[in-house]
Amino acid sequence: AQSVTQPDIHITVSEGASLELRCNYSYGATPYLFWYVQSPGQGLQLLLKYFSGDTLVQGIKGFEAEFKRSQSSFNLRKPSVHWSDAAEYFCAVGPTNDYKLSFGAGTTVTVRA
Amino acid sequence: GAVVSQHPSRVICKSGTSVKIECRSLDFQATTMFWYRQFPKQSLMLMATSNEGSKATYEQGVEKDKFLINHASLTLSTLTVTSAHPEDSSFYICSARDRGVGGNQPQHFGDGTRLSIL
Repeated sequence: AQSVTQPDIHITVSEGASLELRCNYSYGATPYLFWYVQSPGQGLQLLLKYFSGDTLVQGIKGFEAEFKRSQSSFNLRKPSVHWSDAAEYFCAVGPTNDYKLSFGAGTTVTVRA
Repeated sequence: GAVVSQHPSRVICKSGTSVKIECRSLDFQATTMFWYRQFPKQSLMLMATSNEGSKATYEQGVEKDKFLINHASLTLSTLTVTSAHPEDSSFYICSARDRGVGGNQPQHFGDGTRLSIL
């Protein structure tokens, strides 16, 4: 069975500082990996996705993620955070044959001035 | 591109009322749509998978008679919460999977519906 672990429940970072969100997955085959961001009271927006090829993936809003098969990880990074990056971030893996995704528990990012 | 519209964004109604939530893919065709429920400060819980032209597949523990799903076209799925009670109050989110070949099509999410049952 597939599963996703986001070890950090809450991260506080200063504006302008770098950010890294951890994601570890368990999946029986080559995974498709996603990072989504959710602002309060909103749906989820796709930041980036990994299917194959280059293990460093560039996304929107200045985010990138690196797929490391040996570590079963897909960590999300941003070199310099902005106050607008305060949100909930979800890592997801999939799909199964019926296209379902498994989501991590999420990491809340707080940005301090 | 890949916009999913969910309506309404917020519903407040009395106990016993049935509430319908619509999920539309605006610029792509979605053979598969998903309905999630999200409790405060928690992740998304998949309720059901909605396939165009066929019956929805419900996750274990989700009452199919309580949460009716209809996927009548390639761009529209509806979730009806029947005889809603306060415990059904939650944030409901739909997603749609682009009608592409292969498993690498991401899910695109609506903005969610905040359902409050008084």
